[in-house]
Amino acid sequence: EPEVTQTPSHQVTQMGQEVILRCVPISNHLYFYWYRQILGQKVEFLVSFYNNEISEKSEIFDDQFSVERPDGSNFTLKIRSTKLEDSAMYFCASSRETLTGAAGNTIYFGEGSWLTVV
Amino acid sequence: GESVGLHLPTLSVQEGDNSIINCAYSNSASDYFIWYKQESGKGPQFIIDIRSNMDKRQGQRVTVLLNKTVKHLSLQIAATQPGDSAVYFCAEKREYSTLTFGKGTMLLVSP
Repeated sequence: EPEVTQTPSHQVTQMGQEVILRCVPISNHLYFYWYRQILGQKVEFLVSFYNNEISEKSEIFDDQFSVERPDGSNFTLKIRSTKLEDSAMYFCASSRETLTGAAGNTIYFGEGSWLTVV
Repeated sequence: GESVGLHLPTLSVQEGDNSIINCAYSNSASDYFIWYKQESGKGPQFIIDIRSNMDKRQGQRVTVLLNKTVKHLSLQIAATQPGDSAVYFCAEKREYSTLTFGKGTMLLVSP
């Protein structure tokens, strides 16, 4: 079964450093997302991306965050100057189309990248 | 009721029992709902979904019920197995393709 893959699985970085998290969405999917989950809490939406531009973003996704699709397969999340509170599991997800509840079209998540800021 | 932070509501069942996990959603305009299963250290795994024009949908060993009147969603798991032990999240789609997740319920299945 096709799956969303993410790298790295775990990254430790110093406060103030830049981090890039990488994702390979499912190949025929057109909509891409980043979510995050702070330890023990619920999954929170960060940003959605379609047709090479951001379609939606949450309040969490401030100027220190950016996303990019540098080539035909990768989708990246960059955090420019990490803070302690950025420590979380970051999930990439993708869907074939915008969600309408149509059969066979839903959001699939990767296994996550665990970011620890020290 | 639901807890905040590290304390998740927990449902403990015996293997073979039926499990019912509940979720209250907040936005009456939400039109699509998904149940996800999350095992420790892994990403949310799709279980079953339902559109707002339906009140019940069945999958393999799972059933989702939607009550729009009281904004309530439930996930029923038949003949629960130890491998079903995980945190279960409901998610609602409010607009476009943004999912809003609930706080989760931990299901513990004893052999």
